[in-house]
Amino acid sequence: QQQVKQSPQSLIVQKGGISIINCAYENTAFDYFPWYQQFPGKGPALLIAIRPDVSEKKEGRFTISFNKSAKQFSLHIMDSQPGDSATYFCAASGGYQKVTFGTGTKLQVIP
Amino acid sequence: KAGVTQTPRYLIKTRGQQVTLSCSPISGHRSVSWYQQTPGQGLQFLFEYFSETQRNKGNFPGRFSGRQFSNSRSEMNVSTLELGDSALYLCASSLEFSYEQYFGPGTRLTVT
Repeated sequence: QQQVKQSPQSLIVQKGGISIINCAYENTAFDYFPWYQQFPGKGPALLIAIRPDVSEKKEGRFTISFNKSAKQFSLHIMDSQPGDSATYFCAASGGYQKVTFGTGTKLQVIP
Repeated sequence: KAGVTQTPRYLIKTRGQQVTLSCSPISGHRSVSWYQQTPGQGLQFLFEYFSETQRNKGNFPGRFSGRQFSNSRSEMNVSTLELGDSALYLCASSLEFSYEQYFGPGTRLTVT
């Protein structure tokens, strides 16, 4: 059972544009929602995370928006740069469950 | 602080063999989790160890096992390898009560 659904599978954005990746979860016991960034040949790196008691968290060009009632959250990358080209994973964890990952979004930022 | 290290980085094995992968967590991190990453299934949780005890387990067959030592280093073992076990195996460490996980670079296992 896939508990975290992520879309789109791939995304092409022009340099300077906004990249938006969406995730939806089912398990209401989840209380921590991180995003990971993975470059080829590397392990995922924690990018930004949010707890359900806030609706938005911003760190630099990266923003998480969280909608608890809809059980959805999204990652916005403002002013996208070619160096942001990577695979992004949303995830969720809580209760006795460790991290459950989304299926990943391959982002390509073109000059 | 040094990051999570995994050895070996690359491994080629034959179907039916067994393999042992090693993970050294960030200093002070006592929780170690293992994940399998494949193009088709994405990142799937294998198991988590804390204080030498398995605390959580994913939905993998018994051929996949692990252990943790008193210094928090962890190993995972896969017996009777199958072609479908070819994957990137990732180890992640975290502090005891934290969900923040820090991943190593992974071990790329190829089963022929």
